[in-house]
Amino acid sequence: DGGITQSPKYLFRKEGQNVTLSCEQNLNHDAMYWYRQDPGQGLRLIYYSQIVNDFQKGDIAEGYSVSREKKESFPLTVTSAQKNPTAFYLCASAPGAENSPLHFGNGTRLTVT
Amino acid sequence: AQSVTQLGSHVSVSEGALVLLRCNYSSSVPPYLFWYVQYPNQGLQLLLKYTTGATLVKGINGFEAEFKKSETSFHLTKPSAHMSDAAEYFCAVSDRVAGNNRKLIWGLGTSLAVNP
Repeated sequence: DGGITQSPKYLFRKEGQNVTLSCEQNLNHDAMYWYRQDPGQGLRLIYYSQIVNDFQKGDIAEGYSVSREKKESFPLTVTSAQKNPTAFYLCASAPGAENSPLHFGNGTRLTVT
Repeated sequence: AQSVTQLGSHVSVSEGALVLLRCNYSSSVPPYLFWYVQYPNQGLQLLLKYTTGATLVKGINGFEAEFKKSETSFHLTKPSAHMSDAAEYFCAVSDRVAGNNRKLIWGLGTSLAVNP
């Protein structure tokens, strides 16, 4: 079955460490997205990529970095510069057409202490 | 800029009762509209979408929504709630950024509880 795989499901890190969240899709979608979800704040866009080797900042990109070296992969690095990294992170993809819905992975819950 | 308002962060209904989750948007042009559902500790799943054509849209799990341009609304309904409907529901509106890029504007979500 095609889908989006996020790993790991739960991730724990010490403050000051960078951490990379994995997102892989086998849907052959052009566009990929990273969202952050906090209670009561809905979904906030971190980064998105429409094609390989190209990506744009979303609304809350500070303290995060991404790469898009392959169509199927869009890893997110949470750097030590991110002030409040503990959150639920969701990766999504879409074919790229204007009205196409997003397909989501099951998320990674990151806890930084 | 577009915005999406979901009235009621928490809605509680009895099993078998009508479900009504409200979504209003602000937009100068008719947008594309989506409803997603999220079960605990999972990603979001598309319930239904409106792009063009018929304003009453049917989705999965017995849900439907009606696009009302005059009211700038896209409320989600289900005639009879089931315990398995308990989840978080998100309304989203597309916002054309530039070229072929598309950016979704999300509501803050409504948590639906279904009581036995």
